[in-house]
Amino acid sequence: EAQVTQNPRYLITVTGKKLTVTCSQNMNHEYMSWYRQDPGLGLRQIYYSMNVEVTDKGDVPEGYKVSRKEKRNFPLILESPSPNQTSLYFCASSLSRRLDEAFFGQGTRLTVV
Amino acid sequence: SQQGEEDPQALSIQEGENATMNCSYKTSINNLQWYRQNSGRGLVHLILIRSNEREKHSGRLRVTLDTSKKSSSLLITASRAADTASYFCATEDQGGKLIFGQGTELSVKP
Repeated sequence: EAQVTQNPRYLITVTGKKLTVTCSQNMNHEYMSWYRQDPGLGLRQIYYSMNVEVTDKGDVPEGYKVSRKEKRNFPLILESPSPNQTSLYFCASSLSRRLDEAFFGQGTRLTVV
Repeated sequence: SQQGEEDPQALSIQEGENATMNCSYKTSINNLQWYRQNSGRGLVHLILIRSNEREKHSGRLRVTLDTSKKSSSLLITASRAADTASYFCATEDQGGKLIFGQGTELSVKP
């Protein structure tokens, strides 16, 4: 079954404690991206990757890092989380950046206290 | 401000009625997509309409695109309680970037 898998689904952490949200897709997609969803702001892109070892900033990259060492995995790293990073995070993948349907993971609800 | 602004922000209708949601955007686009999101879940792609298309159908969904007005509408006919969800439009700009709107929260009462 084609899918994008995020882990964990829920996470409560404290300010400053490094964390990683994993994202894996089994569709051999080249393009992967991370979004955060906040009330009244819709989804905003954090980072995206067009292929292995190729990553670029989205609209709201501050406070986040990503890596793309393998095609299937695209982890999101928060080196020093802060309360304003409390949000619902989605990973997405697609065949290419253009004219393709994006497959989304189920989301990770992060709370930073 | 966000490209892809949905209107209304919330819509409540009775089962069997039609639901219409609108999306406006600011810049030139390659395509416009509509997504559905059930509470706390991931987004599900519904339909994509290209900039050279004016109307597209998929089951009970009908999407229109007016590039002169930079607007799109999503019509769900004969709505069901299971259609209750948030609906987002997303525009793909000339550079291939996908930008989401804030969403319309649809509630269909049985």
